[in-house]
Amino acid sequence: QSGLTQPPSVSGAPGQRVTISCTGSSSNLGPNFRVHWYQQFPGSAPRLLIYDSDSRPSGVPDRFSASKSGTSASLAITGLQAEDEASYYCQSYDSSLGFSMVFGGGTRLTVL
Amino acid sequence: QVHLQESGPGLAEPSETLSLTCTVSGASVSSDRYYWAWIRQAPGKGLEWIGSVHSRGGPKYNPSLKSRVIMSQRASSNQFSLKLTSVTAADTAVYYCARAGLTAVGGLPPHYYYAVDVWGQGTTVTVSS
Repeated sequence: QSGLTQPPSVSGAPGQRVTISCTGSSSNLGPNFRVHWYQQFPGSAPRLLIYDSDSRPSGVPDRFSASKSGTSASLAITGLQAEDEASYYCQSYDSSLGFSMVFGGGTRLTVL
Repeated sequence: QVHLQESGPGLAEPSETLSLTCTVSGASVSSDRYYWAWIRQAPGKGLEWIGSVHSRGGPKYNPSLKSRVIMSQRASSNQFSLKLTSVTAADTAVYYCARAGLTAVGGLPPHYYYAVDVWGQGTTVTVSS
């Protein structure tokens, strides 16, 4: 059971903005914790999309942004494109589990 | 460019020990800047952290798997490895080795600051008799 909760699926039309939520608790998304986001296409390894709650690695388009507030975080994708159709995972660490790495259950994004 | 490559048998029998190795190029497993992790994904499921090793300090394991996991690293061959004992069908998954090495925090912060910035391609392990 994951301590981070994501919606199983979201969808949007090309050009639209979609957001994916990640809800946790003080033990994993509290003030001392960062949240990271990954994108995964079927049959491929995940790719880091956002780190430290709101920073993009080089090569990630600025259409992807993220934020964290309290014990929740969200990933936003603007100007939705067909190529964004993938699964997205949030990740943090959980102090109640000995600072184990924890992932959200994943959100499948469908571009209509 | 950092590259991670998993290797090991793709099939294991129930109750056996699964052994996987990750060969790293472009970075050193001895660096104190990085943590080296195993993460798995069962068919149609999400990502599950198995454990991490670091050049300093003992390995860290997922509490739900801790009794069955042994991880180690070999500086001489720039590899790290995973042993998972007493496997069952529930251990059937794609196993990824990965590096947790990215954070905006300077210095050497605790491991729980790091994002997983490099992934291997993954290796499929099926547990079946």
